[in-house]
Amino acid sequence: EIVLTQSPGTLSLSPGERATLSCRASKSVSSSYLAWYQQKPGQAPRLLIYGASSRATGIPDRFSGSGSGTDFTLTISRLEPEDFAVYYCQQYGSSPWTFGQGTKVEIK
Amino acid sequence: EVQLVQSGAEVKKPGESLKISCKGSGYTFTSYWIGWVRQMPGKGLEWMGLIYPGDSDTTYSPSFQGLVTISADKSISTAYMQWWSLKASDTAMYYCARRGQDCIAGSCYAAGFDIWGQGTMVTVSS
Repeated sequence: EIVLTQSPGTLSLSPGERATLSCRASKSVSSSYLAWYQQKPGQAPRLLIYGASSRATGIPDRFSGSGSGTDFTLTISRLEPEDFAVYYCQQYGSSPWTFGQGTKVEIK
Repeated sequence: EVQLVQSGAEVKKPGESLKISCKGSGYTFTSYWIGWVRQMPGKGLEWMGLIYPGDSDTTYSPSFQGLVTISADKSISTAYMQWWSLKASDTAMYYCARRGQDCIAGSCYAAGFDIWGQGTMVTVSS
């Protein structure tokens, strides 16, 4: 099983700042099958990025993903008020699919 | 509109059985894998398993194998998650989600979970 470790656990930033979230895998993720999700309280997760760097439909271009192998990054270039949420990475290249434990982006 | 609509919240006692549902619409239900994800109160996301409604091919996370049963009825575009004997530790929100596809030049690749149901809250308490 591939274990995904996200860092930091919590990121305290102000609107307009840049957010950089990390996801490290215990083994190489096949075909860069790595996704990022955003979850707000009381809501289902929303797909932001798939294939490590492809934005999902309707996702603003301030969200970008990068990385390959075992190290992946989600970057939010300029935080908007609606971006404060919990973010999860997920690998879907090998079974069992696994999620990271999440990074909370909170308002400073 | 492509959507997954899940059945409503459930309150059950330990030892009872339960089957929750996830109905797809707005797309060809038999052509996309459906997954189930658990989220215990205040915790993160856990992948439980997948089913391909076209032929009911199913795969489970080892953490959930033997504890739940995933099934589908393609005639009504609905996937299910079933427990035979609930425990208090099954208390959680359960989401179904569609495994997306990204097709380029005739080849299609998995693209994460692109459509999510609204979630079904299951509470198990004596």
